Amino acid sequence: AQSVTQLDSHVSVSEGTPVLLRCNYSSSYSPSLFWYVQHPNKGLQLLLKYTSAATLVKGINGFEAEFKKSETSFHLTKPSAHMSDAAEYFCVVSDSGNTPLVFGKGTRLSVIA
Amino acid sequence: EPEVTQTPSHQVTQMGQEVILRCVPISNHLYFYWYRQILGQKVEFLVSFYNNEISEKSEIFDDQFSVERPDGSNFTLKIRSTKLEDSAMYFCASSDELRDREDEQYFGPGTRLTVT
Repeated sequence: AQSVTQLDSHVSVSEGTPVLLRCNYSSSYSPSLFWYVQHPNKGLQLLLKYTSAATLVKGINGFEAEFKKSETSFHLTKPSAHMSDAAEYFCVVSDSGNTPLVFGKGTRLSVIA
Repeated sequence: EPEVTQTPSHQVTQMGQEVILRCVPISNHLYFYWYRQILGQKVEFLVSFYNNEISEKSEIFDDQFSVERPDGSNFTLKIRSTKLEDSAMYFCASSDELRDREDEQYFGPGTRLTVT
C-alpha cells in the first residue's frame, strides 16, 4: 500500500530565505509523485509532478523537487521564499494514471516579512 | 485557463437530511473524482467515475453515498442521510486520458459541508 509522510506540520521561514518541505513516500510500484499547494479558500493546485523521467523536477512559482529513490524522498525546495508562498503544501503519491491519489497530512508554510 | 468549479462553497444541513454537492469538471476531461478532508485530517479518496460508472471507491464510500453525471457537464455527490461525521471539505477533481497527463488531477475549490 502506498503512503506519504510529511515530516513537518508547520514550517516558518523569513522572506528571501530558502524553503525546504520534506516528504517521504512508500510505494510498491514505480510511483508518480506530486506536490499540491492550497492557498486559503482556494482549491488544490498542482505544483509539480515526478513520473520517472528526470529526478529533479521543476514546477511553478520557482519550486523544485528532487526524487531520491535510495532515500524514498521527494522534498520540495525553493531558493527564496516570497510572501505569496504562504499556504498549505501536500505531498501526494499515486500508482499510475487515473488512480486514487494518496495524500500526506500537509505542511503549512508561513513566510515572515 | 479551464478549472473545476464546485457549488455551493458552504452547505449547512441537519443530521439525517440529504445533500447534493455539485461539480463541473474541466470540459474535455473524462475521469472524475471525489475526495474529502475532515478538519485536521488528511485528504481522503472517496470515489472515481469513468464512462458513466464508478471505477473505484474507498471504504468510506458506503451505501449512503452515490455519484451521478446527470448531464454532459455536471458531476454530483449525494449523501442520503447525513451524519455528524460527514462534516468535512469535499473536493471534486477531474483528469483526462491523454498519455502522460492521465495522472494529473485538477481540483475544485471544495464545498465545506457542516452537519448539525
